[in-house]
Amino acid sequence: DAKTTQPTSMDCAEGRAANLPCNHSTISGNEYVYWYRQIHSQGPQYIIHGLKNNETNEMASLIITEDRKSSTLILPHATLRDTAVYYCIVRVPMEYGNKLVFGAGTILRVKS
Amino acid sequence: AAGVIQSPRHLIKEKRETATLKCYPIPRHDTVYWYQQGPGQDPQFLISFYEKMQSDKGSIPDRFSAQQFSDYHSELNMSSLELGDSALYFCASSLGGGGNGYTFGSGTRLTVV
Repeated sequence: DAKTTQPTSMDCAEGRAANLPCNHSTISGNEYVYWYRQIHSQGPQYIIHGLKNNETNEMASLIITEDRKSSTLILPHATLRDTAVYYCIVRVPMEYGNKLVFGAGTILRVKS
Repeated sequence: AAGVIQSPRHLIKEKRETATLKCYPIPRHDTVYWYQQGPGQDPQFLISFYEKMQSDKGSIPDRFSAQQFSDYHSELNMSSLELGDSALYFCASSLGGGGNGYTFGSGTRLTVV
């Protein structure tokens, strides 16, 4: 089962920062948090992931609270093309390796 | 850069027919994952393979089976198709069981009529 909860939807003005929250209060100490997005039924696209330190890449920043029970994805300057469903995912272990278990994501609408 | 290739992109089948979906992972990726996404739903994990062995099983119906071949490509076989099997089917691949990121393909849209 998914281990995350996210808002159903959010709006953001074009050019502003989009801050997408995620709760993962049952996360284990060695479980990573991944963020993916899906634009109009395309394949999910990787954004960023982290364990406990804040992370930044060319797409976004990931802020993870010290207790690791929640995180925030930040898109610094949202554009219309960032309109998508954003999934916060806790990677869970399998017998061999790990897998991503999707929950209900956040529909982000960027408006001009 | 090479991505995950899925074929076909679209497939229309009648009820009770069979379908085979193919997935070609990124070169050197040894793990493949299958997901099903129904209309308005979130992707649901079906099954995964690591080094040609099944590594985990999710909500995959008994009518479905899958395997990973020696060249690491994978096929999802679906029999006795039902209307409810109409969905997007995504394949993802990773190296070493997922520790280094997961890349998804563009999906196969299966419509059962």
